[in-house]
Amino acid sequence: DVKVTQSSRYLVKRTGEKVFLECVQDMDHENMFWYRQDPGLGLRLIYFSYDVKMKEKGDIPEGYSVSREKKERFSLILESASTNQTSMYLCATRDSSLSGNTIYFGEGSWLTVV
Amino acid sequence: AQSVSQHNHHVILSEAASLELGCNYSYGGTVNLFWYVQYPGQHLQLLLKYFSGDPLVKGIKGFEAEFIKSKFSFNLRKPSVQWSDTAEYFCAVNNENFSAGKSTFGDGTTLTVKP
Repeated sequence: DVKVTQSSRYLVKRTGEKVFLECVQDMDHENMFWYRQDPGLGLRLIYFSYDVKMKEKGDIPEGYSVSREKKERFSLILESASTNQTSMYLCATRDSSLSGNTIYFGEGSWLTVV
Repeated sequence: AQSVSQHNHHVILSEAASLELGCNYSYGGTVNLFWYVQYPGQHLQLLLKYFSGDPLVKGIKGFEAEFIKSKFSFNLRKPSVQWSDTAEYFCAVNNENFSAGKSTFGDGTTLTVKP
């Protein structure tokens, strides 16, 4: 089974703090993603990475950055957290094998910014 | 750009009722289609997927979906729902030619099944 581990399940941060959300996968997948999930808005892609040190902006990258120094690890960074970044953050990896192309999600990180 | 539309935001059914959740996508090329489910307190997981071949695909827990290319639709169905099907359901589409295969998700449909 694919395992996508998000190190923090629940965080509470103050406005202006720098926040790191870590994600590790154990399946050697090249593609990794960060989404945020908000009620009524579904999943929105923040950033994704298709290889080490490679990254591309998703649909809502403003206020976020990412880091992919190793293949198995993809970090989401909020440089200066704001209350409108209170959300559930989902890390995912993609199996791009011939019969795959499926996305596997982590359990999510609930971030509250006060 | 590709987009996904789920028509029903919240569906309430009694046990044993039949279910159909609508999903339409906008991209006109070759697509891969998915339904994901998120049970309360759990992470998103794959319910079923379509890549090619038989347009009627079967997934876990008795769910199935039919790809109708002419209608750009991929509706999810289950003949008889159970209380344990209460969850949020997301339709998703991706295309290999579109930016490293990133997926676009619909807004989700919350299904509540009354016992």
